Amino acid sequence: NAGVTQTPKFQVLKTGQSMTLQCAQDMNHEYMSWYRQDPGMGLRLIHYSVGAGITDQGEVPNGYNVSRSTTEDFPLRLLSAAPSQTSVYFCASSRQASGSSYEQYFGPGTRLTVT
Amino acid sequence: DAKTTQPPSMDCAEGRAANLPCNHSTISGNEYVYWYRQIHSQGPQYIIHGLKNNETNEMASLIITEDRKSSTLILPHATLRDTAVYYCIVRDYYGGSQGNLIFGKGTKLSVKP
Repeated sequence: NAGVTQTPKFQVLKTGQSMTLQCAQDMNHEYMSWYRQDPGMGLRLIHYSVGAGITDQGEVPNGYNVSRSTTEDFPLRLLSAAPSQTSVYFCASSRQASGSSYEQYFGPGTRLTVT
Repeated sequence: DAKTTQPPSMDCAEGRAANLPCNHSTISGNEYVYWYRQIHSQGPQYIIHGLKNNETNEMASLIITEDRKSSTLILPHATLRDTAVYYCIVRDYYGGSQGNLIFGKGTKLSVKP
């Protein structure tokens, strides 16, 4: 298994541009999520999905859209990039959305700079 | 907001046990305690979790107090590779919006030779 993969690894955008961060997992996991991490901070939840066709907002959803058309993929779309969205973005997945076994696997991250 | 309180930083000598404390005084009966770590900007890595019994795996031990208001993660023989930020997180068993992992700032553990 490749686990959780994210592309691209690095990206530079100009203010106002849009783009999609890709996330895929090959573990048939039910739950997927997106986090952002700013320098010196912990991770903050952007959006999450408990299964194909189901998404919900996390702590910091503004400026981001998600969709979950397949179990494997969970892309994150930046609608109109702003410098405040400069951050490292992590995607994660877990076998279940609830229950006692909730080990989340994280991708390597996408480092985004908005100028 | 994170439901846990951790010291911002700790040091540990290589080869010694690292004991990382966490307070979660408002934990409810449905909530588990999870520990993750993040090594130098990599994605976080799961370590261990528990409800009320002490737990041990190949990476660490988790000791939860009887009243469940605090816990300690123990790395029995710390190595330089254990230098990382360690996050203690409480999470609702039943999922939903309370079932997401909410990260605080964690404890920066520095293992020194």
